[in-house]
Amino acid sequence: GEEVAQTPKHLVRGEGQKAKLYCAPIKGHSYVFWYQQVLKNEFKFLISFQNENVFDETGMPKERFSAKCLPNSPCSLEIQATKLEDSAVYFCASSQSSGQDGAFFGQGTRLTVV
Amino acid sequence: KQEVTQIPAALSVPEGENLVLNCSFTDSAIYNLQWFRQDPGKGLTSLLLIQSSQREQTSGRLNASLDKSSGRSTLYIAASQPGDSATYLCAFKDSGYALNFGKGTSLLVTP
Repeated sequence: GEEVAQTPKHLVRGEGQKAKLYCAPIKGHSYVFWYQQVLKNEFKFLISFQNENVFDETGMPKERFSAKCLPNSPCSLEIQATKLEDSAVYFCASSQSSGQDGAFFGQGTRLTVV
Repeated sequence: KQEVTQIPAALSVPEGENLVLNCSFTDSAIYNLQWFRQDPGKGLTSLLLIQSSQREQTSGRLNASLDKSSGRSTLYIAASQPGDSATYLCAFKDSGYALNFGKGTSLLVTP
């Protein structure tokens, strides 16, 4: 597609429940990134993929968070046993290939943990 | 880790004014920088992309500059309009290809 598609737009989970977010990158883009936006404007990098391989996971919390990008499927970000502090907007971005390329963002998934 | 600072945090101007948003960073080893616009409850719209070898980029009423030696970038908006009201974010791509964001400047253009 011509835009990064994220689903769902909104997700509400009770504490301790699992949350799974999806991202379809722009067709032909090799890199996928996940960011977490907490409070108003604080963006935190979580993880990136080069095709289906993890490229950089230095921002991923070691526990409860996992992500995948499998061939011919949307990428996913899964949070096991959600906590109140996981409430945030999760953005997915993709870029074409090298470090010189710009990033294109999806509309985000707003996760609310109650 | 890249530290990115945006000044001012908030700005209110009357329609028609020219304005400058500032962004500073601590690490000159960047691939590129992007200026984004975020409307409330929405995603990020890329406004301008400047490669590390470039000094500036222009698109319509927007002009962004990059000075790696001083660790600064500016976004210039000419003849501001109420539709320009949004949060403007700068972000630098580091060696891991991830973006390092500032906290944004919230702009309000009043009619």
